Amino acid sequence: AQSVTQPDIHITVSEGASLELRCNYSYGATPYLFWYVQSPGQGLQLLLKYFSGDTLVQGIKGFEAEFKRSQSSFNLRKPSVHWSDAAEYFCAVDALQGAQKLVFGQGTRLTINP
Amino acid sequence: DAGVIQSPRHEVTEMGQEVTLRCKLISGHNSLFWYRQTMMRGLELLIYFNNNVPIDDSGMPEDRFSAKMPNASFSTLKIQPSEPRDSAVYFCASTLSLGDTEAFFGQGTRLTVV
Repeated sequence: AQSVTQPDIHITVSEGASLELRCNYSYGATPYLFWYVQSPGQGLQLLLKYFSGDTLVQGIKGFEAEFKRSQSSFNLRKPSVHWSDAAEYFCAVDALQGAQKLVFGQGTRLTINP
Repeated sequence: DAGVIQSPRHEVTEMGQEVTLRCKLISGHNSLFWYRQTMMRGLELLIYFNNNVPIDDSGMPEDRFSAKMPNASFSTLKIQPSEPRDSAVYFCASTLSLGDTEAFFGQGTRLTVV
């Protein structure tokens, strides 16, 4: 069965510092991969997605993610975080490659220190 | 468009009572997904529809749970009878079509069963 692992439950970084959130997946083929962000009390918003092609994908709010097939990873990065980036971040795999049957990781809660 | 609209935002009910959660899709979207979010299990897909037809309900936890799409723009998730372990945040999401690559989430309904 497909699964997504986000090893870090909670990360704290200082404002202006760089950020990397880890995501590993288990899937038989090249999956469709997504990162979503959830602000407190809100629904999920899509940050970026990967289907094929260039393994470095750019998203909204200055985020990017790199697909590494050899490591089964899809880590999310941002060069310089802002206080408004504090939220919960979810990595997801589309188990049906296009049907949006998303399997989510457990999430990583990001705290920003001023 | 106002996005995916869920109601109520919060629901507190007593064990044994029937609970109905509501979701209005984005106009023109044809696919609808219900997710449940808990601390223990994270985000889980319960059921999804395409063109008002349930496609996969394998994630529905028990027969106490049922979901319908009486029309193309509206869905309900019903729990009868409700139990304390049903307490969670329930999200619905819609996509333009089943093969579309971005799901738009509602703000969720926080259900507490006491």
